[in-house]
Amino acid sequence: EVQLVDSGGGLIQPGGSLRLSCAASGFSVSGNYMSWVRQAPGKGLEWVSVIYSGGNTYYADSVKGRFTISRDNSQNTLYLQMNSLRAEDAAVYYCARSAYGDYFGHWGQGTLVTVSS
Amino acid sequence: SYELTQPLSVSVALGQTARITCGGNNIGNKWVHWYQQKPGQAPVLVIYRNNNRPSGIPERFSGSNSGNTATLTISRAQAGDEADYFCQVWDSSAGVFGGGTKLTVL
Repeated sequence: EVQLVDSGGGLIQPGGSLRLSCAASGFSVSGNYMSWVRQAPGKGLEWVSVIYSGGNTYYADSVKGRFTISRDNSQNTLYLQMNSLRAEDAAVYYCARSAYGDYFGHWGQGTLVTVSS
Repeated sequence: SYELTQPLSVSVALGQTARITCGGNNIGNKWVHWYQQKPGQAPVLVIYRNNNRPSGIPERFSGSNSGNTATLTISRAQAGDEADYFCQVWDSSAGVFGGGTKLTVL
């Protein structure tokens, strides 16, 4: 059974850093396109970043230069390193799997990031 | 950057047909995917590649895509269909979501 478990969220001050994790089971993270998608309170979904099976990475303009997506194949885990956090980065962050590089067939349960002093 | 436009809300009477649109420039040339999200839950894929249903999604859910508009159609709407619905495409290696539509079943 495919499962994604998001963790690492919490309360962080503006300008701080946080690393989110997404532990995968039932499939290989390295063989799939893996994304992070976020949702600010009461708002819609916003795509954040993707890492291709080949290792290429892409980011939304709103996080480019501040966030880094990566994966640990041995741990079958996806990460999102978030630096220079801003109030507008506050959201529930979901990891999502795209087995074929287009639709998000599986989602984690989400982890809440709060940015406040 | 590519943008997708959805109506903020759609209402449908119980048992009737709801249609939720997703507008984008030449969106008919892209694969469109649809997600359902209920309060406090992660999104769930309901239609992929314009008009395909994942296993476990009722046949009442269908999709179409042509020109500048993609449409999610929910037939015989049920109370359990009340949720937010989001369309999604990929554009130049970036994921793009519509703003979301709140479906109310009356």
